Amino acid sequence: AQSVAQPEDQVNVAEGNPLTVKCTYSVSGNPYLFWYVQYPNRGLQFLLKYITGDNLVKGSYGFEAEFNKSQTSFHLKKPSALVSDSALYFCAVRDRKVYNQGGKLIFGQGTELSVKP
Amino acid sequence: DAGVTQSPTHLIKTRGQQVTLRCSPKSGHDTVSWYQQALGQGPQFIFQYYEEEERQRGNFPDRFSGHQFPNYSSELNVNALLLGDSALYLCASSFAGQPFYEQYFGPGTRLTVT
Repeated sequence: AQSVAQPEDQVNVAEGNPLTVKCTYSVSGNPYLFWYVQYPNRGLQFLLKYITGDNLVKGSYGFEAEFNKSQTSFHLKKPSALVSDSALYFCAVRDRKVYNQGGKLIFGQGTELSVKP
Repeated sequence: DAGVTQSPTHLIKTRGQQVTLRCSPKSGHDTVSWYQQALGQGPQFIFQYYEEEERQRGNFPDRFSGHQFPNYSSELNVNALLLGDSALYLCASSFAGQPFYEQYFGPGTRLTVT
């Protein structure tokens, strides 16, 4: 069965420091991987995705993520955190083998990022 | 360019009642997916509509049903509401003709069942 794990419920970072939000996945074959961010009382906003190619993916707002096939991980990173980055972050996976109009996204439980001044 | 819109924003219902939630996809998108996000959890896939047909379904009972209209908008219906149906319901849209696409999410409808 496909699954996504975000091992940290909360990550605390000082402004200006680098941040990492961890994600591991379990899916047969090679997946499509996504990161979304959710602000309070808002829907999900797309940050970045890994489809194929370079293992380091760059996305919105200075975020990037590194795909590691051997470790089945897709950690989200940012070199210098901002207070405005404080939000709920979700990792999601879609089965590449399911070739249809969209395929369901399977989400992790989310990681609350708190960036302090 | 309007993004994904959902209505209503908030809704309070009583156990046993029925509810209908609505979604308009982002301009140019033809596929609509629905997700349920319980408090403190990640979104869970309910089902997906394309060409006015349900194409894929998650692990939700038949009390959850949907519809897609010719203009690609969609409705989610939940019958015989339970307290456990209280959640944020998210609609996401995408374009079937674009490979490797991401899904764009609306702001959600907060459903409270009392």
